[in-house]
Amino acid sequence: LAKTTQPISMDSYEGQEVNITCSHNNIATNDYITWYQQFPSQGPRFIIQGYKTKVTNEVASLFIPADRKSSTLSLPRVSLSDTAVYYCLVGDETGTASKLTFGTGTRLQVTL
Amino acid sequence: ETGVTQTPRHLVMGMTNKKSLKCEQHLGHNAMYWYKQSAKKPLELMFVYNFKEQTENNSVPSRFSPECPNSSHLFLHLHTLQPEDSALYLCASSHLQGNEKLFFGSGTQLSVL
Repeated sequence: LAKTTQPISMDSYEGQEVNITCSHNNIATNDYITWYQQFPSQGPRFIIQGYKTKVTNEVASLFIPADRKSSTLSLPRVSLSDTAVYYCLVGDETGTASKLTFGTGTRLQVTL
Repeated sequence: ETGVTQTPRHLVMGMTNKKSLKCEQHLGHNAMYWYKQSAKKPLELMFVYNFKEQTENNSVPSRFSPECPNSSHLFLHLHTLQPEDSALYLCASSHLQGNEKLFFGSGTQLSVL
């Protein structure tokens, strides 16, 4: 299983750009990288998914270096409502669901 | 709104009760999942159904009994639970099992007294 490591928590002020990095040193060739956001007492919500280089959508950007051993979720100009736990998952589309292991995630706190 | 609906939103039950959690997805997905999230802990995968067939059971105690009558509905039947089973129970679905985008419901917050 491709294990992931993220910082336990991060703090930011409103309006700043936040970058959360995830390490996945033993990522497999077929593995994709997926990020989720979870608010208290709610289910996680899909944010973005990528395989290599850079992916951008209306919510975030995902940067993946050439060796794919890490990835960085970038949230532009965060607001108070971005306070949540962010999870990085690694797995491939042919694998079992057990490979999609949610770790402890990164707890982002945004303040004024 | 994620397209995955869970009921009830909150549930309080005694250790001798029998209750059921319900999950329904309106996304046309073929895989459905039950996760457990205890306070301050990561999500734990409990069961996986793919095309109505159970494909994974992560050593879940038999007091939790899943049921998947069709690809759109998933139940979790509960009986003789313990206080340590108190947690947020989350249902999710995806188009196919594997590294697909998971769509989660809002969960059922369960308290066992």
